[in-house]
Amino acid sequence: QVQLVESGGGVVQPGGSLRLSCAASGFSFSSYGMHWVRQAPGKGLEWVAFIRYDGSDKYYADSVEGRFTISRDNSKNTLYLQMNSLRAEDTAVYYCAKDSSSGWGGYYCDYWGQGTLVTVSA
Amino acid sequence: EIVLTQSPATLSLSPGERATLSCRASQSVSSYLAWYQQKPGQAPRLLIYDASNRATGVPTRFSGSGSETDFTLTISSLEPEDFAVYYCQQRTNWPLSFGGGTKVEIK
Repeated sequence: QVQLVESGGGVVQPGGSLRLSCAASGFSFSSYGMHWVRQAPGKGLEWVAFIRYDGSDKYYADSVEGRFTISRDNSKNTLYLQMNSLRAEDTAVYYCAKDSSSGWGGYYCDYWGQGTLVTVSA
Repeated sequence: EIVLTQSPATLSLSPGERATLSCRASQSVSSYLAWYQQKPGQAPRLLIYDASNRATGVPTRFSGSGSETDFTLTISSLEPEDFAVYYCQQRTNWPLSFGGGTKVEIK
């Protein structure tokens, strides 16, 4: 069965950096695009970033463009999110999610991890 | 960016009643809209994709309809496990976007 396990969350000061990881299993990781989606405490879902199955294309929310970088290592079945210049408003649970279609992508999220909490605070 | 507006914010209903949730897009998304369910402390779950297709394992009491800018998620008869928050999401344009959510609560 599909499993996605995020790690790397924690408390970081404003302006700091953090790298999240998402270990994937139970499907052909190298065939699917992957997403990061976040949820601030008590708030709704916010899509953050997408990377195509082979890493050839990456897309970002305006709110993180230029500060966050999505990447993947298909040899390790792992997705990453490098977060720099962190702000208080980046505080959220960060979910990794599998794209709904192999290849080019369906751009829906059909499997989700349980999330990792990032808190940006002095 | 395409903005999705969900209404109502909260829906108070009893088990067995019909739930009708709305999602309106700021511009046409064709039929490229999904619905997700999220229960407290859990990750979201994909229910409906491409406006009207149920995802794997989703009960038939969930149905989606609509196109262009107006979409509806209908739960024909609420079960106790259906009380949750529901989000719509568009995949027509980058950046992808979610609606603000509708909470379905027990009356």
